[in-house]
Amino acid sequence: GENVEQHPSTLSVQEGDSAVIKCTYSDSASNYFPWYKQELGKGPQLIIDIRSNVGEKKDQRIAVTLNKTAKHFSLHITETQPEDSAVYFCAARTQGAQKLVFGQGTRLTINP
Amino acid sequence: DGGITQSPKYLFRKEGQNVTLSCEQNLNHDAMYWYRQDPGQGLRLIYYSQIVNDFQKGDIAEGYSVSREKKESFPLTVTSAQKNPTAFYLCASKGQVNTGELFFGEGSRLTVL
Repeated sequence: GENVEQHPSTLSVQEGDSAVIKCTYSDSASNYFPWYKQELGKGPQLIIDIRSNVGEKKDQRIAVTLNKTAKHFSLHITETQPEDSAVYFCAARTQGAQKLVFGQGTRLTINP
Repeated sequence: DGGITQSPKYLFRKEGQNVTLSCEQNLNHDAMYWYRQDPGQGLRLIYYSQIVNDFQKGDIAEGYSVSREKKESFPLTVTSAQKNPTAFYLCASKGQVNTGELFFGEGSRLTVL
């Protein structure tokens, strides 16, 4: 089955700097890659997703890139703000499957 | 407001007792999921249901049971057979088959003493 590895497990950046979180997946048939943000005491919320037919997607300060050949995808957050502090999860889903496989999570801390 | 409601938010139980976590959604979604969250291990799928009266085991189903008698409800029972039940449990739902987004509840934290 699919396996998703996420790095780093913790990341601390200065406010205003950029943050990058990376994930690799094992199943070349995977075609959907979402990113979720989990704030303290809450459930995860989708912040951006990408499908395998595109290489990059951007939404304001957040972008995701996908390299199908290398089987890895990354989340980029620019101009970080204190409210970006949270746990971020990547995930992958194989075409036809009804379940997402999540990475281990990255705790991002934005230092003022 | 539409969403997913999990209850209780916090639950304490003695070892050997079964406990049932509630999950209700008013999003009219067909698919519902239960995930377990442990530090450093991400979200692991326990059970999922794509339609009423049907459900499938996820990756860590041992020691858990579910039912899906109504579209809006997907309760999870943590049985005494679950060896490490203390965890944060998340329920989610998803709309159309080709839609990727999962909508999560705020979770239930179970502590077994």
